[in-house]
Amino acid sequence: IAGITQAPTSQILAAGRRMTLRCTQDMRHNAMYWYRQDLGLGLRLIHYSNTAGTTGKGEVPDGYSVSRANTDDFPLTLASAVPSQTSVYFCASSAQGQGGDTQYFGPGTRLTVL
Amino acid sequence: GQNIDQPTEMTATEGAIVQINCTYQTSGFNGLFWYQQHAGEAPTFLSYNVLDGLEEKGRFSSFLSRSKGYSYLLLKELQMKDSASYLCAGMDSNYQLIWGAGTKLIIKP
Repeated sequence: IAGITQAPTSQILAAGRRMTLRCTQDMRHNAMYWYRQDLGLGLRLIHYSNTAGTTGKGEVPDGYSVSRANTDDFPLTLASAVPSQTSVYFCASSAQGQGGDTQYFGPGTRLTVL
Repeated sequence: GQNIDQPTEMTATEGAIVQINCTYQTSGFNGLFWYQQHAGEAPTFLSYNVLDGLEEKGRFSSFLSRSKGYSYLLLKELQMKDSASYLCAGMDSNYQLIWGAGTKLIIKP
């Protein structure tokens, strides 16, 4: 593994189903983030984690949950998917989550909720 | 509120120079980032400015004026591979990035 990986690459999901998007990084970064990207809008932060064992809510957290059991993994769960959660989801990480930290992005997961 | 504004789309000619502007309003300020995103791919880091002035990095330069809440990305000697979206993001007092919607740059031969 080099950098950040996400799985699956794409998924079509029925409304009401539960779904977990996976994110793994091998850079030993402390901070990790989940964003969604929708056409015409900027990246919007869903949840973040500044270090293993801690998580925080971003701009659009409703309908999503995260956990950070260890440094490398940061899964995002949709408990009961709705069509408005159709989006491209990006996971990112940065060394410390502080000023000047560059965020590095995974390849994204394209999710369609029908 | 927090807001990042940048043009939706720009067109330029191969070999030319283009300037992409960004105005920002954030709660506190810990720097301004530019990212490049090719269609269907992840954003990749281009530049970071926290002090006023111009930062040059090869064909790409980025400028910041904190008093005006303004930044620009300057791309010189444009190549076809520069066709992409360019994302401006301001870092607020909580070290969170506030993102603009991106500027789609179209390069014509």
